[in-house]
Amino acid sequence: AQSVTQLGSHVSVSEGALVLLRCNYSSSVPPYLFWYVQYPNQGLQLLLKYTSAATLVKGINGFEAEFKKSETSFHLTKPSAHMSDAAEYFCAVLNTDKLIFGTGTRLQVFP
Amino acid sequence: EAGVAQSPRYKIIEKRQSVAFWCNPISGHATLYWYQQILGQGPKLLIQFQNNGVVDDSQLPKDRFSAERLKGVDSTLKIQPAKLEDSAVYLCASRVRTVGNSPLHFGNGTRLTVT
Repeated sequence: AQSVTQLGSHVSVSEGALVLLRCNYSSSVPPYLFWYVQYPNQGLQLLLKYTSAATLVKGINGFEAEFKKSETSFHLTKPSAHMSDAAEYFCAVLNTDKLIFGTGTRLQVFP
Repeated sequence: EAGVAQSPRYKIIEKRQSVAFWCNPISGHATLYWYQQILGQGPKLLIQFQNNGVVDDSQLPKDRFSAERLKGVDSTLKIQPAKLEDSAVYLCASRVRTVGNSPLHFGNGTRLTVT
């Protein structure tokens, strides 16, 4: 079965610093991968999704993710953190038409 | 395009009581999902509908949970009787089609507290 693992339940960065949130997948076939963001008391919002057309995927709010088959990774990055980026981030894989989520990473941004 | 609508936003009940949640998916989305998100965890699938038929309910605790999607549009999720461990956010999502990498679109969820 396909699954994703998110390393680090909490990540703290200073405003303006690089954001790196890690996600590794387990799949025997090319996976459909997604990153979602969840702000407090809200639902999940799609940040970006992997398509086989390009390994570097650009999403909303300046985020991007790179698919690396050799490392079975799909890490999320943003060059410069903003206070408004503070939220919970979930990596997910589509498995037989259902999203399977990682455990999430809470991003804190300090001024 | 209107998003996925859920109600109520918050619900507090005592254990052994019953509760129902409502979801209206994005217009034209044939697939509807209910997820349970316990505090500090990722969402976990409870049930998946395709139109008004159940595709997967293997993770639904059927002794207390039930769900229906009449007419292939709105859906309700019911818990009866509730337990303390049912305290969670219940998320509804819809998807336009079950092929390719079309994403799931989520509502804002219903936060249930069982006391």
